[in-house]
Amino acid sequence: EAQVTQNPRYLITVTGKKLTVTCSQNMNHEYMSWYRQDPGLGLRQIYYSMNVEVTDKGDVPEGYKVSRKEKRNFPLILESPSPNQTSLYFCASSQRRGVSVETQYFGPGTRLLVL
Amino acid sequence: GNSVTQMEGPVTLSEEAFLTINCTYTATGYPSLFWYVQYPGEGLQLLLKATKADDKGSNKGFEATYRKETTSFHLEKGSVQVSDSAVYFCALKGIPNTGNQFYFGTGTSLTVIP
Repeated sequence: EAQVTQNPRYLITVTGKKLTVTCSQNMNHEYMSWYRQDPGLGLRQIYYSMNVEVTDKGDVPEGYKVSRKEKRNFPLILESPSPNQTSLYFCASSQRRGVSVETQYFGPGTRLLVL
Repeated sequence: GNSVTQMEGPVTLSEEAFLTINCTYTATGYPSLFWYVQYPGEGLQLLLKATKADDKGSNKGFEATYRKETTSFHLEKGSVQVSDSAVYFCALKGIPNTGNQFYFGTGTSLTVIP
């Protein structure tokens, strides 16, 4: 089954404790992306990647890191989480056609609470 | 820059009522436009899309037409069902030479009552 998986689905942590949220897709998609969803703000893009070893900042990259060492995986790293990073996070992937990107497929989401 | 504005919710309708959710955009050039739907506790799913002016996207009885002259992509359905209750997001993808970023609206919550 074609899917995007995220782990963990729920996470409670404390300020300053490094954490990683994993994202994996089995559709051989080149493009992967991370979003956060907050009430009243909709989805905002954090980082995206057009291919292995290629990453770009989205609208809200501060406080986050990503890496793309393999095509299928795109982990989101919070080196020193703060309470304002409490949010619902979604990973997404998409096929590329030349320089353009097709429709995105979303993971189930990771709900993060930073105390 | 690119942005999407969609109508505030929540929207509550009776079953079989007509639905319109407004979406307007600001973008450079000719972006691609999307409607995504999010059911409770789930990720977003693509509902429909349009990639050029005057295109009409349709799926599951929902429709939206890409109107360049009014920079709009309003979502419509002639007769909603209880199972349509969800949050709907309008989204835009910039043209390739402006980056492949996606921009989402704030979402409109729809509740359909029997």
